[in-house]
Amino acid sequence: QKEVEQDPGPLSVPEGAIVSLNCTYSNSAFQYFMWYRQYSRKGPELLMYTYSSGNKEDGRFTAQVDKSSKYISLFIRDSQPSDSATYLCASTNPSNDYKLSFGAGTTVTVRA
Amino acid sequence: GAVVSQHPSWVICKSGTSVKIECRSLDFQATTMFWYRQFPKQSLMLMATSNEGSKATYEQGVEKDKFLINHASLTLSTLTVTSAHPEDSSFYICSARQGINSPLHFGNGTRLTVT
Repeated sequence: QKEVEQDPGPLSVPEGAIVSLNCTYSNSAFQYFMWYRQYSRKGPELLMYTYSSGNKEDGRFTAQVDKSSKYISLFIRDSQPSDSATYLCASTNPSNDYKLSFGAGTTVTVRA
Repeated sequence: GAVVSQHPSWVICKSGTSVKIECRSLDFQATTMFWYRQFPKQSLMLMATSNEGSKATYEQGVEKDKFLINHASLTLSTLTVTSAHPEDSSFYICSARQGINSPLHFGNGTRLTVT
């Protein structure tokens, strides 16, 4: 079983829709949670960085962490074609030098 | 925001030659840098962890003599692919963080093609 599970999709939504992305993790010791956006042939770009359970909002992006159920989510409101990318969830493992465990990534296409 | 610069963005080399990739943290000091490899439509695969001033730690299955990593300063790490072969063709991405509780920031990757 992978430490971080993420549905690879692909996910296709019309412009303006809410994009909902989810991951689950298996290790309750995981501490920090991140969402990255990766465009084709580019490095991942940090979107959200959270520690506590709860919501964190940044513009059109909302990250949600539920440590009790080991579930993390990313919501993108008012999606735009420029949001079309692969989204990766990740978490740090304190017992492994805080290295990141990544999900498989979800490919999202926002249709104009 | 934190910027990690990686060069070159793409390189083509002949089989048997060596290639060096540079990774710099431009506006923060990176105590730890990580090197990843990514195959098409797959997630990132950690190759090695590099702490400034000490030897890199390689993940299982990664040949340390083929992938030489140097982290000579708090802002620069290099990955040298020695005696490259076509199977080493891939997308290599570096990342850096300021401390263990800091987020990881990535470079834009280097696409290596070995002919």
